[in-house]
Amino acid sequence: SQTIHQWPATLVQPVGSPLSLECTVEGTSNPNLYWYRQAAGRGLQLLFYSVGIGQISSEVPQNLSASRPQDRQFILSSKKLLLSDSGFYLCAYGTGYAYEQYFGPGTRLTVT
Amino acid sequence: AQSVTQLDSQVPVFEEAPVELRCNYSSSVSVYLFWYVQYPNQGLQLLLKYLSGSTLVESINGFEAEFNKSQTSFHLRKPSVHISDTAEYFCAVSEGYSGGSNYKLTFGKGTLLTVNP
Repeated sequence: SQTIHQWPATLVQPVGSPLSLECTVEGTSNPNLYWYRQAAGRGLQLLFYSVGIGQISSEVPQNLSASRPQDRQFILSSKKLLLSDSGFYLCAYGTGYAYEQYFGPGTRLTVT
Repeated sequence: AQSVTQLDSQVPVFEEAPVELRCNYSSSVSVYLFWYVQYPNQGLQLLLKYLSGSTLVESINGFEAEFNKSQTSFHLRKPSVHISDTAEYFCAVSEGYSGGSNYKLTFGKGTLLTVNP
């Protein structure tokens, strides 16, 4: 069966510090991978998506970047966090032959 | 470009009452439609989907949604809600593969369903 993991579950970081969030998928090959941010009352915002290793598309220009070093690994990074980076970060995957996406448990990021 | 409107940001209901969560979409092409549910501090779970065929789709926990192409709607309904249905519900639309977008989903802003005893 397919599963998706995210870590850490929660993170408190000071402004200006770096960030690395990791997402891994099991049980499928060559998934489409997605990073979303969810702010209170603002729904889901697609940040990045990837259709293959090393292929990253950015939806919103901002303080964040993404990388896909392995087929089933997706990393969200920042060199210097801003207060506005606080939120709930969700990773999702799609299998490429289906239209739906499946979400990980999320990471709660608080920038102080 | 596609868009999704969830007309109600919050819906309070009493236990065992019926509920309808409204979703309208805008798209120039054929779409695929989804409802997701999110419990506090958790990821989104796929509740049900419409891809083709019967316009009425059902979930295993009693929810149903009907695709209405003429009204561009995909409303979610349940005839009798439980306390455990309290959650945020998101409607989403996909236009499928489109010039490299590879099955991107556009989400509504969500509807918080609160079921009171």
